[in-house]
Formats: sequence, structure tokens, C-alpha cells
Amino acid sequence: KQEVTQIPAALSVPEGENLVLNCSFTDSAIYNLQWFRQDPGKGLTSLLLIQSSQREQTSGRLNASLDKSSGRSTLYIAASQPGDSATYLCAVNPGAASGGSYIPTFGRGTSLIVHP
Amino acid sequence: DTGVSQDPRHKITKRGQNVTFRCDPISEHNRLYWYRQTLGQGPEFLTYFQNEAQLEKSRLLSDRFSAERPKGSFSTLEIQRTEQGDSAMYLCASRPIRSGNTIYFGEGSWLTVV
Repeated sequence: KQEVTQIPAALSVPEGENLVLNCSFTDSAIYNLQWFRQDPGKGLTSLLLIQSSQREQTSGRLNASLDKSSGRSTLYIAASQPGDSATYLCAVNPGAASGGSYIPTFGRGTSLIVHP
Repeated sequence: DTGVSQDPRHKITKRGQNVTFRCDPISEHNRLYWYRQTLGQGPEFLTYFQNEAQLEKSRLLSDRFSAERPKGSFSTLEIQRTEQGDSAMYLCASRPIRSGNTIYFGEGSWLTVV
């Protein structure tokens, strides 16, 4: 059974800092990995999707890397802003062994506060 | 593309009552997922549809829970004889036929059982 762990569980930083959020998974036979943002009481918004064959993806100030063999992904946030305050979740999509259902497994998330 | 729509957004019900949530996925997304999320936790998988067929159900989905997706379009999640432990946010997500594509979530339906 796939298990996804996110470290740290919570992070509070001053504005302007560069941040690294970590995600690790136990089964490396994945199809892809996705990072999401969740604001309090809201649904999930997709940030980045990395296919298993890729090493990294970038979108604006966000950069996500994937090391499939070691079961790790990191989300790098450059020059953090108060508007980045939210919970960040990673989700791992299983490979063909899932039988085609491709049901994502989520970590518990990292709760980020960026203060002015 | 109007996004995944969920209704109602909030529901407060008394213990023992039945509740039903509706999800309208993005049109032409054949894969539909229901998740449950409690405070401080990540979303937990409940059930999965491909078109109208319910292909997977989590052990979290007790016999008080039932989900349908008639005609492969919208889906409903019904909880019978609600318990306080059912209080959570129920999230619906959909994905197009190409499995490698992004999964899209709705805003969720908050359930409070009093």
C-alpha cells in the first residue's frame, strides 16, 4: 500500500524566504506526482504535475522535482509572499499495477504561513 | 470548462438523518473520484467511477454510504443514518480519459453532524 509523508507538517517564515517542502512515498512504481494548494475551507488547486519520466517542472516561482528511485519530491517556493500562505499537498498516482484506476494517494500536507 | 461543481457547499444535519451530496464533473471527464477530508489530514479515497461503473470502493465506505453515477455524468454520495464521525469535507474530483492528466477537484461539501 502506497504511503505518502510530507515534512514539515507546518512552517512559518517571514516574507521573502525561499522554501523547500518535502514529499516522500514508499512505492516508487508511480505514474506521476502532483502538488496541490488548499486554502482554508476550500478545495484543492493543482499547482504542478510531474510525470514519472520527468525530473522537474516549473511554474512561476514554483519548482517541483522528482526522484522516483528514492521516492522523493520537493516543492521549491522562491521569494515567498503572504499570499502563499496555505496548505500544500502532494499526491502520488499509481502506475499500471493499479489496474487502470489511477487513484491518487495524498500526504497530510504542509501548512505554510508567510508573515509580512 | 466550468470546473467541478459540488452541492451543497455546507450541510448541518442531526445525527441519524440522511444526507446526499451531488458532484458535477468537468464535461467529458470519464473518471470521477470521491474523497473525505478531516481537519489536519490529507484527502482519503472513498470511491472511484469510470463512466457509470463504480470500479473501486475504500473500506472507509461503510454500508451507510452509497454512491452512484447514473449515465456517467453527475454523481451523488448518500450517507444514511449519519453519525458525528461523518463530519468532514467531502471532495469530488474528475479526470479526463488520458490517465496522465491533471485531476481537478471541486470546492468540497462540508458536513457537520450535530
